[in-house]
Amino acid sequence: AQSVTQLDSHVSVSEGTPVLLRCNYSSSYSPSLFWYVQHPNKGLQLLLKYTSAATLVKGINGFEAEFKKSETSFHLTKPSAHMSDAAEYFCVVTMGSARQLTFGSGTQLTVLP
Amino acid sequence: EAGVAQSPRYKIIEKRQSVAFWCNPISGHATLYWYQQILGQGPKLLIQFQNNGVVDDSQLPKDRFSAERLKGVDSTLKIQPAKLEDSAVYLCASSPRYEQFFGPGTRLTVL
Repeated sequence: AQSVTQLDSHVSVSEGTPVLLRCNYSSSYSPSLFWYVQHPNKGLQLLLKYTSAATLVKGINGFEAEFKKSETSFHLTKPSAHMSDAAEYFCVVTMGSARQLTFGSGTQLTVLP
Repeated sequence: EAGVAQSPRYKIIEKRQSVAFWCNPISGHATLYWYQQILGQGPKLLIQFQNNGVVDDSQLPKDRFSAERLKGVDSTLKIQPAKLEDSAVYLCASSPRYEQFFGPGTRLTVL
């Protein structure tokens, strides 16, 4: 079975400071991992994905994530937060031919002026 | 490229009533998914279609939920009768192969 645990339900940062959203995964096999962002009243948007290539993955809007197999982690980072980054972020794991996504419970990011 | 379309965007019904949601996936996407997202939780897969066939409906409460994808394009999800705990956002996603593209969702409130 596969699962992801997002370690913080809420994260608050000041604009211009670094962002760290934490995610640990559990998977019997080599997983594919994703981060999605959900702005209010909008659909989920893919930020980045790891599919067993480079362990440091760069995504849109300056976000990146590092796959660490030894720590079973896939934390999302951004060097400098912007007000428009305020949203809900989901860590997602998938495996198998059906490509079904298993979502974490989400982390609400607040960016303070 | 047009995205995944869903309607209605909002729906309020009384418990024990019926409701239906519609999804139009991105043209050419063979795989279509329906998810339920309860407030404060991540989306949970309800059903997955490949063209017009069901791949997985193991988490669909079949006593009250049904879904179809006639002709392998549009899809409808129906709840009959609705319960209070069905209040959630219902998300549709489509995929050409690996990446899933999500629609804006339908927010259902059951009173």
